[in-house]
Amino acid sequence: ETVMTQSPATLSVSPGERATLSCRTSQSVSSNLAWYQQKPGQAPRLLIYGASTRATGIPARFSGSGSGTEFTLTISSLQSEDFAVYYCQQYNNWPPGTFGQGTKLEIK
Amino acid sequence: EVQLVQSGAEVKKPGESLKISCKGSGYSFTSYWIGWVRQMPGKGLEWMGIIYPGDSDSRYSPSFQGQVTISADKSISTAYLQWSSLKASDTAMYYCARGGTGSYLAPSDYWGQGTLVTVSS
Repeated sequence: ETVMTQSPATLSVSPGERATLSCRTSQSVSSNLAWYQQKPGQAPRLLIYGASTRATGIPARFSGSGSGTEFTLTISSLQSEDFAVYYCQQYNNWPPGTFGQGTKLEIK
Repeated sequence: EVQLVQSGAEVKKPGESLKISCKGSGYSFTSYWIGWVRQMPGKGLEWMGIIYPGDSDSRYSPSFQGQVTISADKSISTAYLQWSSLKASDTAMYYCARGGTGSYLAPSDYWGQGTLVTVSS
């Protein structure tokens, strides 16, 4: 099974600043990696797929990069609604759909 | 508009059986994989398994194989997740989510609102 490791576990950032979240996989997933945002009491929302393609309706301040085993989600200028938990997910290797443990993005 | 609407919260006792549902609308239900994801209280997301409603081909994560059954009734555009004998450790929020059209190797672009299952004696 592909192990997904996200860092840091918690990230404290001020509104308007940039946030950089990392995801590392135990084996190559090519570019078959997605990022999701989850707010308290809500279902996850797809932000990025194919490592760098924004999902429909996702603001341009969200960007993804990486391939192979190292990936990054960047939020260029944090808005109040961006404070949430973020998960990466691989869909390249069996079993598909394995998630990282999440990064909590909190207001500094 | 694509929607996945899940059945309501359930409170069950250990050993009881349960079947929760996920009804899709606004798209061709038989053409997209539907997956199930568990989220235990205060914890992260766990991928459980997936089904293709067009032919009911289903796949399970090794962690959930034999613990749950995923099924679908394409005539009513509904997918199901069921347990034959619940345990307290099954207490969690369960989400259904739409996957890809061809391969099950795809991200989940639409999610249900979640079904909270509580198992307690």
